Formats: sequence, C-alpha cells, structure tokens
Amino acid sequence: DMQMTQSPSTLSASVGDRVTITCRASQRISRWLAWYQQKPGKAPKLLIYRASTLESGVPSRFSGSGSGTEFTLTISSLQPDDFATYYCQQYSTWFTFGQGTKLEIK
Amino acid sequence: EVQLLESGGGLVQPGGSLRVSCAASGFNFSNYAMSWVRQAPGKGLEWVSVISGSGEIIYYADAVKGRFTISRDNSKNTLSLQMNSLRAADTAIYYCARDQLASVVLDVFDLWGQGTMVTVS
Repeated sequence: DMQMTQSPSTLSASVGDRVTITCRASQRISRWLAWYQQKPGKAPKLLIYRASTLESGVPSRFSGSGSGTEFTLTISSLQPDDFATYYCQQYSTWFTFGQGTKLEIK
Repeated sequence: EVQLLESGGGLVQPGGSLRVSCAASGFNFSNYAMSWVRQAPGKGLEWVSVISGSGEIIYYADAVKGRFTISRDNSKNTLSLQMNSLRAADTAIYYCARDQLASVVLDVFDLWGQGTMVTVS
C-alpha cells in the first residue's frame, strides 16, 4: 500500500518566516503530487498539483518541488491567512493523503 | 455558481446503514469523475471512493470495500454513497470532491463540498 509521510506534524512560525513542509512517498510517484490547505471547519483547498503547478488564484508565495518520492511545499513569507493545516496527496495509484502538517503561529 | 452540496448525514447505530448524497451544480457533471473523502474528528483526510464520469470505473479504499457503494445519477447531477455495516471508525465528515480535469479519473480535487457529518454510535 502507498504511504505518504509528512514532516513535521506541527510547525510553529511567525509572520514573514519562510517555511518548508516535506512529504515522502513510499513508492515512486513521478510528479503526481498535490498540496491542499485546510482551515478549521472548512473543506480543503487545492494549492499545488503536479508537484509544482500553482492552482489558479493561489498566491505566488506558495511553491512546490520534488519528484519520485521526495516533495516539498514552501511558503516564502508567511501571512496571517496561511496558518492552517496542509496535506499532501498522491494521485499516481488511486489516492493517498499525508497525515497533515499543522502550521501554528509562534 | 459552481458548487457541491452534500446531504444525508446523521446518527446511526453500529451495523446500520446510511446514504449520503452530493448535489452538483454549475458545471457539466457527467464529464467529471467524483470522489468521496472523509475526515474523522480531529484527524486527517482519507480518500474513500471514486467513480468516473460515466460510472464505468469505480474504486474503493480497502477500509470500505464491500461495505460502501458509490453511484451517480448524471440526469440529476447527483453523487451518492451507500454505507452499510457501519462501524464507529466510519464516524467522519464526508466530503464529495470533483476531479480538476474532465474525462480523467486519476486527478486532483479542485472543487469540494462543505461536508456532511456521519456519526456511528
């Protein structure tokens, strides 16, 4: 079974910080990797697909990279609206989500 | 407006059944594969099932295989999930989600409903 492992599980940061979240796949998935943002009580929102393509309307401070089994989501300068939980998702072999990374205000 | 609206959640006893639905509007529903994704209270996202636009391709996560049935009625722009033999572990918010690209099954989810809560207790 495909496993997606995110690190860290929780990340404390301040407005203006640059942060990076890592996602590792248990099998090679090429670039079939997406990132979602979820705020409390809301549905997830698609941020990035195909590892590095920004969804329309998503701010350019978000970026993604990686291929194969190692991927990263980077937020270049944290804004107050960015504090949320982030999930990676592979869609190479059906669908699997990572366990999530909660981005908290320091 | 392009949107998905789930309904049908509620409280059900272990071993019971429940059917949740998702009404789609604002896009050509029959062109898009649709999925159900669930989220247990305080937990992460778990993909449940997918159905292609035509309904010919269906796949389930191991956790629900044999107990849940996904279906769609393209004439009514409606997606459904019939859940049988429910367990406490099935307690979650159930979201319906649309594939980003038409005529593709393995794709990211660019449109989500607000979710419907299913409690098995």
